Amino acid sequence: AQTVTQSQPEMSVQEAETVTLSCTYDTSENNYYLFWYKQPPSRQMILVIRQEAYKQQNATENRFSVNFQKAAKSFSLKISDSQLGDTAMYFCAFINTDKLIFGTGTRLQVFP
Amino acid sequence: DTAVSQTPKYLVTQMGNDKSIKCEQNLGHDTMYWYKQDSKKFLKIMFSYNNKELIINETVPNRFSPKSPDKAHLNLHINSLELGDSAVYFCASSQLGAYEQYFGPGTRLTVT
Repeated sequence: AQTVTQSQPEMSVQEAETVTLSCTYDTSENNYYLFWYKQPPSRQMILVIRQEAYKQQNATENRFSVNFQKAAKSFSLKISDSQLGDTAMYFCAFINTDKLIFGTGTRLQVFP
Repeated sequence: DTAVSQTPKYLVTQMGNDKSIKCEQNLGHDTMYWYKQDSKKFLKIMFSYNNKELIINETVPNRFSPKSPDKAHLNLHINSLELGDSAVYFCASSQLGAYEQYFGPGTRLTVT
């Protein structure tokens, strides 16, 4: 069975600092996609970044970047220059056909 | 323009009632989904429809019945509501094979 594990239930970071959220997954598939979604207090699920498993290059979206280690089945999210608006739940997710499988989430609090 | 919309955003009802949640997407996608987020924030897929055809049904009680009148709409009807049905229900859409899913704002269902 495919699973996604986020081992950090809560994290905190000071504004302007860098924080890394961890995610590991388990699959026997070779082709798949990985995502990080952000869920602020508004409840909306916002796609932050995506990574195709066949690409070795780590994805980057402005202040957000990932460290994708396919052999280790690890997919961490780095947030640089943290902002107050980054305060949210962050979900790591895996998909290889249609079904998104989510981790349990990491609650990130950014302090001024 | 809202890409994926859900109505209502909040729903409070009593045990035993029947209720519906509506979802519409204007992205031209051919696949739509229902996810349930429980009180611990865990997100899990319930159903998936492609071009009005059910393709994923994840061991959901048969009190839950999705209906897709066309590929832009996917409604969720729940019969005989129970306390354990209290959750946030998210609708999402994607183009089959494109992997990236776009989420609606969620419907918070509270059963008293």
